[in-house]
Amino acid sequence: DGGITQSPKYLFRKEGQNVTLSCEQNLNHDAMYWYRQDPGQGLRLIYYSQIVNDFQKGDIAEGYSVSREKKESFPLTVTSAQKNPTAFYLCASSMGRGQQETQYFGPGTRLLVL
Amino acid sequence: GENVEQHPSTLSVQEGDSAVIKCTYSDSASNYFPWYKQELGKRPQLIIDIRSNVGEKKDQRIAVTLNKTAKHFSLHITETQPEDSAVYFCAARLVYNQGGKLIFGQGTELSVKP
Repeated sequence: DGGITQSPKYLFRKEGQNVTLSCEQNLNHDAMYWYRQDPGQGLRLIYYSQIVNDFQKGDIAEGYSVSREKKESFPLTVTSAQKNPTAFYLCASSMGRGQQETQYFGPGTRLLVL
Repeated sequence: GENVEQHPSTLSVQEGDSAVIKCTYSDSASNYFPWYKQELGKRPQLIIDIRSNVGEKKDQRIAVTLNKTAKHFSLHITETQPEDSAVYFCAARLVYNQGGKLIFGQGTELSVKP
């Protein structure tokens, strides 16, 4: 999972501001995922993409948006509509299409609200 | 909806003892069950996984068992060491819908006391 990177490591958001979290992978994986992790809780799926130019909502997509214009990149935007954005955000990728289900995680971005 | 229940939420053992974490899943069509270890502030790392055509899998001190009839699977760690202290997550992969996404349990915080 060294082939999947996230930036920045820490991100501060002001009220009403949109912020974008970066996720890049060089593993040639088709599928990419965004999870949110709150303290003491499991991972909840925000969005996922099985192929370029296609993505689906996960369980908690409200207040978030994504794009998948390139195979290696899957940025997540936290919009002002997300009222409680403080969390640890994890990006993951897998080969996809039922070939190999193993998901590999990036190092995460910790988002804090000012 | 689909969910994965994980127990216990916290587990404390003495070094050298065994630790067992249990998960149950709701979707009988699930066919892939990974376990992740997450150290504080770090990314989740895959430690072992099992597919539905196998009842047990071992890797050194770690083993996973699967009971498809009862829809539960367990992680067994033998001869625990302080470096095993972390949060452990189980997950189940849905098969027929939503691109085979993973549903995660809530996590178990394992503490191994020297």
